[in-house]
Parts: sequence; C-alpha cells; structure tokens
Amino acid sequence: DAKTTQPNSMESNEEEPVHLPCNHSTISGTDYIHWYRQLPSQGPEYVIHGLTSNVNNRMASLAIAEDRKSSTLILHRATLRDAAVYYCILRDGFNNDMRFGAGTRLTVKP
Amino acid sequence: GAVVSQHPSRVICKSGTSVKIECRSLDFQATTMFWYRQFPKKSLMLMATSNEGSKATYEQGVEKDKFLINHASLTLSTLTVTSAHPEDSSFYICSAPREAGPDTQYFGPGTRLTVL
Repeated sequence: DAKTTQPNSMESNEEEPVHLPCNHSTISGTDYIHWYRQLPSQGPEYVIHGLTSNVNNRMASLAIAEDRKSSTLILHRATLRDAAVYYCILRDGFNNDMRFGAGTRLTVKP
Repeated sequence: GAVVSQHPSRVICKSGTSVKIECRSLDFQATTMFWYRQFPKKSLMLMATSNEGSKATYEQGVEKDKFLINHASLTLSTLTVTSAHPEDSSFYICSAPREAGPDTQYFGPGTRLTVL
C-alpha cells in the first residue's frame, strides 16, 4: 500500500482556517485520497475524498496537488468540535480495505 | 444517523473468558466488513476482513484462532476474542463499505474491551 506522511500534531485557533497537509509521493494512478477524522473514544468519521480534482463538501475542502503527490485538507473555520485526529489514507479504487497511518492530532484553541 | 452499530459499547471481563462483539450495518447490506484494533494514543490497526459466507482474511500477525470472525448475514459480523488476556484490552472498531470501490466506508462507534 502506498504510504502517507502527516505531521504528528497541529494547533489552530477557533474560527480560523486550518490546512492539514499530507504527503503521498508513491501514490498510484488508481489510488483515491481519503480523509477521515476520529474524535476521542469514537470510530473514525468520513470527511472527504478525491482522485485528481479539488473537492468541496459541507465539512471541508480537499486540495490535491497537480502531481498528486500531496494533498491538503482545509477546514474553513475551525470549531472546538473539530478537535480530532485526522487521517489521510490512500485507497485503491478496486479494494475496500483501509489502512491507517499515525494521523495528525488537531488541537483547536478557543 | 449511525449506519454501522456495535454492541456492546464497552465490556469488562475476566482473564480466560471469551467475549463476542457484534457489528451491524443498519440500512445497507455489506458483503465485506473490517475489524480494527486501536491501543491508547495509537492509530487503528486492521485485524481482518470479514467476508459474508466465507472465511475471514486475517492480517499478518493476527491469530485467527484467538480472534474468531463470523459473517453470518449481510448485515452482521461478529468478532469473538477467545480466552481473553489483559493484553487484549483495546478499542475494537468495525467498518463496512456501502458499496464496492472507492466510496466512503462507515465505521462503528467502537467497543472498549477491558480484560481484568
């Protein structure tokens, strides 16, 4: 499986935008970029995913580099409820299994 | 609302006993479900793939005789931790894809197992 690299932790102030980076230099042409987040003592929650083009949904935006070797999850206005561990995961378009890296622990300060 | 449920949410058992954890897809059928284990402050580790109507596929290093998986129906997979020991204490999470391919995967809320 292609590997992802994320910073261990990041901090943000409430109401400010947050940019969470992810490097995936060995991504293959069939890999989708998925982002999930996990709040304390809960199962992971889907955030967003994309293949080549930037994506927007009600939770976040996903910016994908032109060479697809990196991506950035953008939370437009962080709230205290966004404090979580954010995982960037590559998924082959043909397989369903998901393998988690260490993720980024986001702290949101009031 | 939740689309994948787990039961129980937490369980405490004595060393040597077996514990069964259920994972249900609530409004869709899942021919495949996945089981993960997560230790404190660590990431999720994929344990096995549960396949409806056939044997589960276990990840390297996961003992299939210790972690019994049964996928008896299209909406239910069970994980049984046999002869549990304190080192099996962990957060167990299941997931299921609504459809095959790169679509979103839905995770259960997790089961906290504590073995005394």
